[in-house]
Amino acid sequence: TQLLEQSPQFLSIQEGENLTVYCNSSSVFSSLQWYRQEPGEGPVLLVTVVTGGEVKKLKRLTFQFGDARKDSSLHITAAQPGDTGLYLCAGVSRGSNYKLTFGKGTLLTVNP
Amino acid sequence: GAVVSQHPSRVICKSGTSVKIECRSLDFQATTMFWYRQFPKKSLMLMATSNEGSKATYEQGVEKDKFLINHASLTLSTLTVTSAHPEDSSFYICSAKRSGHSNQPQHFGDGTRLSIL
Repeated sequence: TQLLEQSPQFLSIQEGENLTVYCNSSSVFSSLQWYRQEPGEGPVLLVTVVTGGEVKKLKRLTFQFGDARKDSSLHITAAQPGDTGLYLCAGVSRGSNYKLTFGKGTLLTVNP
Repeated sequence: GAVVSQHPSRVICKSGTSVKIECRSLDFQATTMFWYRQFPKKSLMLMATSNEGSKATYEQGVEKDKFLINHASLTLSTLTVTSAHPEDSSFYICSAKRSGHSNQPQHFGDGTRLSIL
């Protein structure tokens, strides 16, 4: 069974601060995705990283995929209250109908 | 876009009743759909993979007779929680993959909040 360890589970910071969320696995995934979910809604895909060492930027969000494709990080610069939400990493398993294995999630609260 | 509609968005019912949740892909065909369960402030747990025209594949620990899945068309999968009890109360989310595009992302519905009294 492939598992994804995500940390931290909870994070409460002040507006303007930077933060990093980590996602680690002992297994290799074909790709890794990051989602953001708001209460009462489904998760929304932020990015997919495929290549080892890949870095993608989405405005103030920077996503990295480890060289061995077993770990990833999400860095948010100058966090804003609108960034508040549940951030989920998910590993994609090509051999299993591309099913997703989700990390436990990081509940981020950005206080004004 | 790729829109997935889930219905109902919220349901409250008495213990012992069966509840059906629908997942529809509105603007694309989906050979494969997935059903997840999520507890408050927790991550998504995959329950089963629904394949059009064949039996669903359930994850370990998920009762097939408790959570009935039907995927009779390329745009609709249903999850029926049979003889629901308070411990079945949860947020249920479906997702769908566009047919013929194996490496495309899953598109998620907005979930169904199930409360069993």
